[in-house]
Amino acid sequence: QQPVQSPQAVILREGEDAVINCSSSKALYSVHWYRQKHGEAPVFLMILLKGGEQKGHDKISASFNEKKQQSSLYLTASQLSYSGTYFCGTESNSGNTPLVFGKGTRLSVIA
Amino acid sequence: DTAVSQTPKYLVTQMGNDKSIKCEQNLGHDTMYWYKQDSKKFLKIMFSYNNKELIINETVPNRFSPKSPDKAHLNLHINSLELGDSAVYFCASSPRLAGGRNEQFFGPGTRLTVL
Repeated sequence: QQPVQSPQAVILREGEDAVINCSSSKALYSVHWYRQKHGEAPVFLMILLKGGEQKGHDKISASFNEKKQQSSLYLTASQLSYSGTYFCGTESNSGNTPLVFGKGTRLSVIA
Repeated sequence: DTAVSQTPKYLVTQMGNDKSIKCEQNLGHDTMYWYKQDSKKFLKIMFSYNNKELIINETVPNRFSPKSPDKAHLNLHINSLELGDSAVYFCASSPRLAGGRNEQFFGPGTRLTVL
């Protein structure tokens, strides 16, 4: 079942912060985050495994609340290069199941 | 060094034709995938192969047939192309299928246009 991402789109000025949420109705084993720039392939950002961990990648970090079956991606002090569509992909607890991607959140950072 | 490569990058063809897209990865990964991304940017998995063996075959018309000659290659053949097949097709690979550490590395995509 496809995870739900919110918001669908967001526009930021450089330096502003944003949060992108991803929620699932299924028990999750892991959550992936990817960024896709226009006309390019999705690029892996990070993976969070069950256990409620948090991860960071430069000024982009994420959390995973296993009990709520939710993950959030935090972008702080956004840069122009952060623009793109962010996808979460979820792996359910049943194992050997494919990653299911959300519909994406389009992030635009303007000067 | 290209990790996941696909050819061709663009493919324009007439309805009813048969076409193939090739994919190769040099990451030593065991698992490879084909995804379809439509005009609304939805990334939908089509197939997954693990060590040359078909693992996942989502609801895809049987006009689509994947072939994996070895674990570094996963090709996609499409018969009798239809207008609705127009999309960007991404190949991807990952170290494993599931259970964590299955981050996916995507190829550059093949934009297929059916006229």
